[in-house]
Amino acid sequence: SQQGEEDPQALSIQEGENATMNCSYKTSINNLQWYRQNSGRGLVHLILIRSNEREKHSGRLRVTLDTSKKSSSLLITASRAADTASYFCATDRGGSYIPTFGRGTSLIVHP
Amino acid sequence: DSGVTQTPKHLITATGQRVTLRCSPRSGDLSVYWYQQSLDQGLQFLIQYYNGEERAKGNILERFSAQQFPDLHSELNLSSLELGDSALYFCASSVRDIGEQYFGPGTRLTVT
Repeated sequence: SQQGEEDPQALSIQEGENATMNCSYKTSINNLQWYRQNSGRGLVHLILIRSNEREKHSGRLRVTLDTSKKSSSLLITASRAADTASYFCATDRGGSYIPTFGRGTSLIVHP
Repeated sequence: DSGVTQTPKHLITATGQRVTLRCSPRSGDLSVYWYQQSLDQGLQFLIQYYNGEERAKGNILERFSAQQFPDLHSELNLSSLELGDSALYFCASSVRDIGEQYFGPGTRLTVT
């Protein structure tokens, strides 16, 4: 079963707007990762945030982690049409560092 | 380009058949992971190898098996194929046995 659940399932915005996706999980984690997948292609790693970190940035991406709420958010600022993809969160927990993926958020950015 | 290669890109075969999917990890990566992605199940972890040895097992059916060779490439063998095995199969690699993974382009398997 999926440990992480992304919300919303789908998001449609205009180019230039910000996109926020959320991930909630059920049990304590070691790490949380965000990946992007373009249609039918391999996943691309975006950011890894450890359980003792609260925020990380990478270019136009900002990830926050709230372990008390067991949730994370991915913010893409000034979105571009090329950001159109599915975004997945993946968590690993306990003695296993194998990430468990959620179902993903499908993001469409209209030019 | 992640540096992970997978062959073949597409595979169409009949029920009951056996196929082998191949993966070459990024240069220097010791760990290989196999995943299955389907519309109803999402992305499911199958199995992990680290430097030639099985490290972790996920939702891998008994009809499926894998191995990692001394040159670190890996093969996933799927036998007695069923319609429900139709999916995208991804290989990923990482430097160690934890941390960020680099995914290949996938093999799309269609069982008819």
